[in-house]
Amino acid sequence: AQSVTQPDIHITVSEGASLELRCNYSYGATPYLFWYVQSPGQGLQLLLKYFSGDTLVQGIKGFEAEFKRSQSSFNLRKPSVHWSDAAEYFCAVGSKAAGNKLTFGGGTRVLVKP
Amino acid sequence: NAGVTQTPKFQVLKTGQSMTLQCAQDMNHEYMSWYRQDPGMGLRLIHYSVGAGITDQGEVPNGYNVSRSTTEDFPLRLLSAAPSQTSVYFCASRTPPGQGALGYGYTFGSGTRLTVV
Repeated sequence: AQSVTQPDIHITVSEGASLELRCNYSYGATPYLFWYVQSPGQGLQLLLKYFSGDTLVQGIKGFEAEFKRSQSSFNLRKPSVHWSDAAEYFCAVGSKAAGNKLTFGGGTRVLVKP
Repeated sequence: NAGVTQTPKFQVLKTGQSMTLQCAQDMNHEYMSWYRQDPGMGLRLIHYSVGAGITDQGEVPNGYNVSRSTTEDFPLRLLSAAPSQTSVYFCASRTPPGQGALGYGYTFGSGTRLTVV
């Protein structure tokens, strides 16, 4: 069965500093990988996704993620954080073998200090 | 605006009551799903549907029923509410593959916050 682990429950970062959120997945074949962001009281918005090809994926709001098969990771990065990036971030994995159902990690809450 | 609409936004139920959470999308997506979100557990799949008339169970289906009579609507029914069903519920629909950057992307509703007392 596919699974996703986000090791960091909370991360605090200063505005303007870089941000990296970790995501590790468990799945035998090549998964489909996603990052979503959830602002307080809102639904989830897709930041970026990886299916195949270039392992460095660019997304919206200046985010990028890198797929590393050898490490079973799909970490999310942003070079310079803005106060509006304070939110909860979810990594998710899907696959054809799992009927394309998404499995989510537990989420990482990002706090941005002024 | 195109998207996924969930109603109601908030609901308080007494233990044993039943209710239906509504979900509608206007993007003609075949695939729709229901998730529940609990602190520290991410989103867990309750039920999903790959098209009208076809539904299947997800990770946590007990206590919930779904039906899919039209492409647009995918209601979630709580048969006899329990405090363990206190959660935030999200409905999502998925863009089919083969649509470039949009393919396989999930669009989520804004959620229903349910409290069972």
